[in-house]
Parts: sequence; C-alpha cells; structure tokens
Amino acid sequence: SQQGEEDPQALSIQEGENATMNCSYKTSINNLQWYRQNSGRGLVHLILIRSNEREKHSGRLRVTLDTSKKSSSLLITASRAADTASYFCAYTGGTSYGKLTFGQGTILTVHP
Amino acid sequence: DTEVTQTPKHLVMGMTNKKSLKCEQHMGHRAMYWYKQKAKKPPELMFVYSYEKLSINESVPSRFSPECPNSSLLNLHLHALQPEDSALYLCASSQVGGRIGNTIYFGEGSWLTVV
Repeated sequence: SQQGEEDPQALSIQEGENATMNCSYKTSINNLQWYRQNSGRGLVHLILIRSNEREKHSGRLRVTLDTSKKSSSLLITASRAADTASYFCAYTGGTSYGKLTFGQGTILTVHP
Repeated sequence: DTEVTQTPKHLVMGMTNKKSLKCEQHMGHRAMYWYKQKAKKPPELMFVYSYEKLSINESVPSRFSPECPNSSLLNLHLHALQPEDSALYLCASSQVGGRIGNTIYFGEGSWLTVV
C-alpha cells in the first residue's frame, strides 16, 4: 500500500502540553499537507509544506519535513481542549498532483 | 473565502433509489474532487476533475456517476447503491497546475446511509 503511516495512533494530553504527531510516507512527494477533522465533520486544512521546504510555522503549529527520511511531524504547542480532533497528513507525489494520499491519522484528546 | 459547500449534509436512501450529492465552490478553483471516508479510516480518492473534465477515476463502481456541469459545481449521482457504500462523502477543490502542487480545500461532507 502507498498509504502513509502516522504515529501515534492516539495521543492523550493535558491542556497546555505540546502534542507531536509523526507521518511517514513511501514515495517521492511534491508537497505534504496536514488536516484536522473534528468528529463527523469535514477536513480543515492546517498547513502545506512543499518538498523543498524543511520547516513551516502557523500560529501554534510547527511542521517539519525530512525528505531523506520520508517523514514529517506536526507540533501543536500549548494545546487546548478545542484541539481535540483527528489529525491527518496527506501528500501528493510525482505527476499526480491532484491525488492526495492520506496517512492513517492520529486521534488527539486534550483534557481540560 | 476558502469554502466548499456540500448538500445535503445527511442522506438516507434505499438500494433502488436514485439520488445526488452536490458540491459548490466560488474560489475560482479549476480542480474538484470526490473522496469517500469510512468510519475511523482516512479519506480515499474517488474522482478528480480538472477544467471540468474527468482526469482521475480510481476504479469506482459505475453506481457512482460524477458530473461537473461548470467550474463551480460538482455532482455525484448515486444509483443502486449497497449498504457498504454508507460513508462520509467529501468534496474538495484546488487550483490546477504548479509542479509543487496546491492546497486542497475540503467541504463538511455529506453523510450517506444506504438502507
């Protein structure tokens, strides 16, 4: 399977703590995107990192990309209860720029 | 305004029914997508339209029939579905082109239950 892998599958933390999620993939990529999905809802785009970038920040989010290891990480700092959701990495590769391949997702629970 | 609107939010249909899911975006995107997501699984690509033409069909059964009437609208026509087709159907859109790729924006999804 060309699907990405994420770890951990589930993460439970207290408010104020940092949460780190990791994503690994198997092919060369054009870019990698991170999404949040609240239970039963659609996907909210968080951040896109291109294959020639190594790190990006957006508010409390920090994403890194290591193409030599075929891996990416999402760090959420100072987490809040409202961050409770599933987080997916998704990437496009080769000439299939429109085809997103998703990781299995990490379920994050932030306890107040 | 990064918004993809999907209707209906919930749909219950019998196996002999014909129904449609609708998707609309006004971001000027020329690529639109249908994804299917089963419970506790990641989304899986079904179709990609680029400039209103079908460019990717991920071997989806013919009981799912996509249509792109114009650059803002995307439909998914449903006929003779099976209970295992029950899922969240997500529409998405993006700009086309660019070697590095573009941000893909998703709607809230349509929950489909086949009885």
